[in-house]
Amino acid sequence: EVQLAESGGDLVKPGGSLRLSCVASGFPFNNAWMVWVRQVPGKGLEWVGRVKSRTDGGTTEYAAPVKGRFSISRDDSKNTLFLQMNSLKVEDTAVYFCTTGSGYHWGQGTLVTVSS
Amino acid sequence: SSELTQPPSVSVSPGQTARISCSGDALAKQHAYWYQQKPGQVPVLVIYDDTERTSGIPERFSGSSSGTTVTLTISGVQAEDEADYYCQSTDSGDTYWVFGGGTKLTVL
Repeated sequence: EVQLAESGGDLVKPGGSLRLSCVASGFPFNNAWMVWVRQVPGKGLEWVGRVKSRTDGGTTEYAAPVKGRFSISRDDSKNTLFLQMNSLKVEDTAVYFCTTGSGYHWGQGTLVTVSS
Repeated sequence: SSELTQPPSVSVSPGQTARISCSGDALAKQHAYWYQQKPGQVPVLVIYDDTERTSGIPERFSGSSSGTTVTLTISGVQAEDEADYYCQSTDSGDTYWVFGGGTKLTVL
């Protein structure tokens, strides 16, 4: 059974940093492109960024609102995806989901709240 | 433009057919995906590659595509289908995802 489990969400002050993790199981993580999507409670879905598999180059892409502040990485030895979030803004408050590149499997999400 | 436009809401009675549209220039060249999200739950992929139904999704769900518009059709709507539905595609370079604003389906 495929499982994705995010963690690391917290309350953080504007300008602060946070690192989210997503532990994957039940599929060959090293071959998967992985994506982060966020959702402000009560609002729509917003793509944050993605990382390709190492065999496909391991490159990352980011949405304009987070480019330069967020960084996606992966540790294939631990089947774990990361989202490093720096210079956080109030508008980054959301539930952050990790999902496979196909969009078929999603984690339960982790809540990030940016507030003073 | 990579924007996708959906109607904010659609309402139908049980047993009727619900059609949710999604429009955007990217859809002329890129595939569309549809997600169902019920309150407090994670999005579920119901349609991929415009018309393909994900395993385990009831046959009453179908997708179609014409030019820059894709449509999710739910035939014989049931109360359990009440949810938010999001279309998703990619930019012309197939680099990043773009979501529609979501459509709230209400079953009267």
